[in-house]
Amino acid sequence: GAVVSQHPSWVICKSGTSVKIECRSLDFQATTMFWYRQFPKQSLMLMATSNEGSKATYEQGVEKDKFLINHASLTLSTLTVTSAHPEDSSFYICSAPRGGQGNTEAFFGQGTRLTVV
Amino acid sequence: DAKTTQPNSMESNEEEPVHLPCNHSTISGTDYIHWYRQLPSQGPEYVIHGLTSNVNNRMASLAIAEDRKSSTLILHRATLRDAAVYYCIVPVGYNKLIFGAGTRLAVHP
Repeated sequence: GAVVSQHPSWVICKSGTSVKIECRSLDFQATTMFWYRQFPKQSLMLMATSNEGSKATYEQGVEKDKFLINHASLTLSTLTVTSAHPEDSSFYICSAPRGGQGNTEAFFGQGTRLTVV
Repeated sequence: DAKTTQPNSMESNEEEPVHLPCNHSTISGTDYIHWYRQLPSQGPEYVIHGLTSNVNNRMASLAIAEDRKSSTLILHRATLRDAAVYYCIVPVGYNKLIFGAGTRLAVHP
């Protein structure tokens, strides 16, 4: 079946550095992907919609200059957390719908646990 | 955007059926109803989705009320591996999924 792969699964970085997270659709093309973050014991919060070949659309309250999204191909979207700080420590998850407007399933990456020290 | 309402938690015994309810009273006629679940420290997993008719797959069944204002996810025989948070979602626009709090399902041996 369709699979979305996310890399890395976990990362520890120093405060002030940047971290890139990759999200790949392995056996289908995804013109749209989504990025979420999840804090402990909370639900997923949608951060942005990643659009292939155009700018990402950010949800209200999400800093676009801090969370850089690039969707350079139909199978790859990247999220870069710039100048990371401890409060950015979270579980980041990407997803890709296989297609259609609400009538197909979405597939999720396994998540990336970011710890900023 | 159709909002969904689910109980915070439910419990079940292993091998018994589980009925997870969801209310979506503001759903429009063309909105699909999706269910996902999330196991600890993993990304969510697709369970099932439907529009009007009841749907079955290898994981679960989805019973949709005739007026479409509510639906029920049915796990026919719960196992310990079904313990997870279950999310009922009505996608927005191009399959944008907005997650609520979901229902935390505990399965007892």
